[in-house]
Amino acid sequence: GQQLNQSPQSMFIQEGEDVSMNCTSSSIFNTWLWYKQDPGEGPVLLIALYKAGELTSNGRLTAQFGITRKDSFLNISASIPSDVGIYFCAGQELVGNTPLVFGKGTRLSVIA
Amino acid sequence: DVKVTQSSRYLVKRTGEKVFLECVQDMDHENMFWYRQDPGLGLRLIYFSYDVKMKEKGDIPEGYSVSREKKERFSLILESASTNQTSMYLCASSLSNEKLFFGSGTQLSVL
Repeated sequence: GQQLNQSPQSMFIQEGEDVSMNCTSSSIFNTWLWYKQDPGEGPVLLIALYKAGELTSNGRLTAQFGITRKDSFLNISASIPSDVGIYFCAGQELVGNTPLVFGKGTRLSVIA
Repeated sequence: DVKVTQSSRYLVKRTGEKVFLECVQDMDHENMFWYRQDPGLGLRLIYFSYDVKMKEKGDIPEGYSVSREKKERFSLILESASTNQTSMYLCASSLSNEKLFFGSGTQLSVL
């Protein structure tokens, strides 16, 4: 099955820094979502995007649905230690009632 | 809040054993999913179900089967566990296809 290209694979940043990660696909997506997985837990939905060009914020998190419908990015501003975890992008293809496709994740480590 | 409960956080089984992983959701969701998560490989879909007694193969169904006798319960079955099935297994449910609610996962070790 198709997988999304998510980068970077991992990041080590200082507390207070901004973070950016992105996802690309070879096909057009109807919906883009971003999930976060805390250590020892299942992923939790952070942001859902439904329209090309849409820019949505959730606290210090901002995500955008790319104009081409083939990409999305997530920014985290002023990172804090509890931002540590694995961030997954996910998308639903345009055609049919298909399950989400997930990226391989970005593992974020925050150094205090 | 939606609750998706997986019966075990940690499980250790022997090669060849039949293994049942249970998942229950309490929000009357139509859709349920089983994923496995391995380092560097992300979340890979094993099986999913859009209705009771209905099941569809995901991307990696080999070596697994599922059962959905009731709407709230979706079981993953390893007929004969093998060491390459050592993994974190995540169950999820959803009303629509995109907003998944995940359980906390079952870390399965097959020795």
